[in-house]
Amino acid sequence: SQTIHQWPATLVQPVGSPLSLECTVEGTSNPNLYWYRQAAGRGLQLLFYSVGIGQISSEVPQNLSASRPQDRQFILSSKKLLLSDSGFYLCACTTGASGAFFGQGTRLTVV
Amino acid sequence: QKEVEQNSGPLSVPEGAIASLNCTYSDRGSQSFFWYRQYSGKSPELIMFIYSNGDKEDGRFTAQLNKASQYVSLLIRDSQPSDSATYLCAVNEGGGADGLTFGKGTHLIIQP
Repeated sequence: SQTIHQWPATLVQPVGSPLSLECTVEGTSNPNLYWYRQAAGRGLQLLFYSVGIGQISSEVPQNLSASRPQDRQFILSSKKLLLSDSGFYLCACTTGASGAFFGQGTRLTVV
Repeated sequence: QKEVEQNSGPLSVPEGAIASLNCTYSDRGSQSFFWYRQYSGKSPELIMFIYSNGDKEDGRFTAQLNKASQYVSLLIRDSQPSDSATYLCAVNEGGGADGLTFGKGTHLIIQP
């Protein structure tokens, strides 16, 4: 079964600073990869998904971007963080129709 | 736009009773349905999935799907305090790669 590694677990960043969150997947190949964000009191919002290396689809226009430099690596980035970027960021993967599996998440607080 | 609706709760159930969680979805093309459990501060954990109309049982959990009514539910039998969590309903249209649409979740409290 697949394992998803996400780091860091928590992050406090000032407004205007850059961001880089990394996610790697083990135990599977050619996964579909996803970045979700969960803001306080809100549901999971799909930010980006990728079906292969270099292929990124954006669901929500914003100051975030994603990249997939390797089959099992997915990176979420920002050049300048906003207060509204605070939230719980979750990387997920799917390898079929059996649902998405999540990493442990990164709790980002922008101050 | 795809929407998944859940009652936010909290839903309070005495220990040992049956907890019933409900979810409706707007996209008639949805083919796959999932229930996740999320403890406070943790990531969601997949507990059940269902594709066909009817019931699917796994231990103390039963998922029920009614595509005509666009309704999916989760029953938890013999509820335990450790079942206290937020339960997220999610749907995926046809197993496509564009991800799951999640409801906001129902907060379940099992009272000892």
